[in-house]
Amino acid sequence: GDSVTQMEGPVTLSEEAFLTINCTYTATGYPSLFWYVQYPGEGLQLLLKATKADDKGSNKGFEATYRKETTSFHLEKGSVQVSDSAVYFCALQGGSEKLVFGKGTKLTVNP
Amino acid sequence: GAVVSQHPSRVICKSGTSVKIECRSLDFQATTMFWYRQFPKKSLMLMATSNEGSKATYEQGVEKDKFLINHASLTLSTLTVTSAHPEDSSFYICSANDPLGTSGGAHYEQYFGPGTRLTVT
Repeated sequence: GDSVTQMEGPVTLSEEAFLTINCTYTATGYPSLFWYVQYPGEGLQLLLKATKADDKGSNKGFEATYRKETTSFHLEKGSVQVSDSAVYFCALQGGSEKLVFGKGTKLTVNP
Repeated sequence: GAVVSQHPSRVICKSGTSVKIECRSLDFQATTMFWYRQFPKKSLMLMATSNEGSKATYEQGVEKDKFLINHASLTLSTLTVTSAHPEDSSFYICSANDPLGTSGGAHYEQYFGPGTRLTVT
């Protein structure tokens, strides 16, 4: 079945550091790919998405490119802020409406 | 933008009692809603898919008699945890999609509620 594997972390960075969170997937067909963010005590918010190969999703300085050849959708940000501290989830949506999530990566950004 | 609400945000109940959690789409019609359970430091586990006007579809391993789901209208789905036990304590999150695009978003996009923290004592 479909699955998502992402680096589990936790990841701790200093403010203005470069961030990469790796995400790879296994799916039949051509899934849509998503990154969601969850701030403490809250539900999930969509951060960015890509629906086909080579698409780049971007939002709030975060980027991820849908790489079909490597089945990856790594999340990057050039300069993180303390306010980016949260848990980040990579997810895919295949033929059905169901989302399949990775295990989440906790990011802590220190001043 | 599309907004999904959940009520209550937190609930504490005694073992053996039942608890109902509501999930509402506030500004769009949701023919399908999803219920997730999130364990500490774990990912979200899809429990069931709730379809308006029909029975919910449960994921393997989820007890349908324990987690009752009702999707009575296009804007409301409820999850009732029956005869709750401490092991049912968790963070429950619902989501809804907007296949008709009434919210202006993509048909496949899921909108998540803020979650309900259930503690069973």
